[in-house]
Amino acid sequence: DAGVIQSPRHEVTEMGQEVTLRCKPISGHNSLFWYRQTMMRGLELLIYFNNNVPIDDSGMPEDRFSAKMPNASFSTLKIQPSEPRDSAVYFCASRGTGAIQPQHFGDGTRLSIL
Amino acid sequence: DAKTTQPTSMDCAEGRAANLPCNHSTISGNEYVYWYRQIHSQGPQYIIHGLKNNETNEMASLIITEDRKSSTLILPHATLRDTAVYYCIVCSFGNEKLTFGTGTRLTIIP
Repeated sequence: DAGVIQSPRHEVTEMGQEVTLRCKPISGHNSLFWYRQTMMRGLELLIYFNNNVPIDDSGMPEDRFSAKMPNASFSTLKIQPSEPRDSAVYFCASRGTGAIQPQHFGDGTRLSIL
Repeated sequence: DAKTTQPTSMDCAEGRAANLPCNHSTISGNEYVYWYRQIHSQGPQYIIHGLKNNETNEMASLIITEDRKSSTLILPHATLRDTAVYYCIVCSFGNEKLTFGTGTRLTIIP
C-alpha cells in the first residue's frame, strides 16, 4: 500500500505566481480531502470530493484557490495568484467506501510564498 | 459535531502506559470518537475509533465511558516515536468532515 502521495514536498515561489499542488489518493478510495495547516489556524478542511465530484468547498478561502479531480487517481489544488499569507502546509487525504472509514493523509506540501 | 476538550500537553516516561483523556460531553448517539496523531513534519495518522464499546488495535486501546461523555486513548508501552500531537475528534456517522482542534502534545521522556 503506497499511501497518499503528494507532490512537491516543498515549494518556494514568489508572490503572484501560480502554484499547483498534486495528490494521488490510495487506490480504491472514493473520497479525497484537501487541508491546510498553519500555526495560527491549525488544520482546516478546504474542500472534499466524493467519486471525483466536489461536495463541499466551503473551506476554500477565496477565489484564488481552486481544486480539481479529473479522475479517481489524481487531484490538484491550485492557487493563482499566490500571496504570502498562503504559506502553509497543505495536506491531502483519502478515504475508502463506508461511512466510518478513517481518512489517510499524505505527508503534505510545505508551501512558502515570498 | 460535538466539541472535544483535551489537555494541551502531557509527558510520559518511555515504557510506561500513556493515557490521553478527551471530554466530549455533548456527544450524540450517532457520533463516533476518532483519534489521530501527528508526528512532527508528517501528515496526521489514524489511530483508532469507537462508538460505545472499548476498542483495541495494534497501536492503542480506546476506552469510552458508559455515558460516552469522555474517552481515554491508551498507548500501552510508550516509545520515543510516540511523541506527537494527539487529536480526539467526534464525528457523526456518514459525515465526511473531520474538525481538528488543538490536540494534546504528548512528549515521551527517555
